[in-house]
Amino acid sequence: GQQLNQSPQSMFIQEGEDVSMNCTSSSIFNTWLWYKQDPGEGPVLLIALYKAGELTSNGRLTAQFGITRKDSFLNISASIPSDVGIYFCAGLYNQGGKLIFGQGTELSVKP
Amino acid sequence: DVKVTQSSRYLVKRTGEKVFLECVQDMDHENMFWYRQDPGLGLRLIYFSYDVKMKEKGDIPEGYSVSREKKERFSLILESASTNQTSMYLCASASGTSGGLSTDTQYFGPGTRLTVL
Repeated sequence: GQQLNQSPQSMFIQEGEDVSMNCTSSSIFNTWLWYKQDPGEGPVLLIALYKAGELTSNGRLTAQFGITRKDSFLNISASIPSDVGIYFCAGLYNQGGKLIFGQGTELSVKP
Repeated sequence: DVKVTQSSRYLVKRTGEKVFLECVQDMDHENMFWYRQDPGLGLRLIYFSYDVKMKEKGDIPEGYSVSREKKERFSLILESASTNQTSMYLCASASGTSGGLSTDTQYFGPGTRLTVL
């Protein structure tokens, strides 16, 4: 079945550093979504991407929908302590309408 | 803003008990979903519904059932709770299209952390 590989699994960075994470798939997706989950909370949508090649920003966050439609990237610039959490990518599997989630990237930011 | 609420943030139940987890959304979304989240396994889809009284099995439906009597409410039922159902349960909703299975962006509730003793 559909699988998403998200990497890295975890990151430990210094405040002010830039962060990059990505997701790859063996199949094509029509939509890519990036979520952030704070400890003990539900995931919150950060960025939605609907077209191959699309590059979208939300404050210090930038995400791209890969040209091949099989991957997506999320970058966070100038990280701050409140960026701590788990970041999930999700792809929309068109047949059946179910989202497929990556395993998550756990981000820790040292002040 | 979309608001998805879940009836409890924390729940402790005993093995064999019947457990109801409630989810309500206020955006007239057609599609609703139940996931469980476990460390190292990410989010796994249990059941989803694309219309009132309609339900579809997700990837791990065993041991669960659902009910959607009203559009805004989607309930997850554990008929006889077991310790391996200790988990974080997340509800989500999406606007979707009428009668179809395609979904728009999913919005999540805050989660219910269930412990089965």
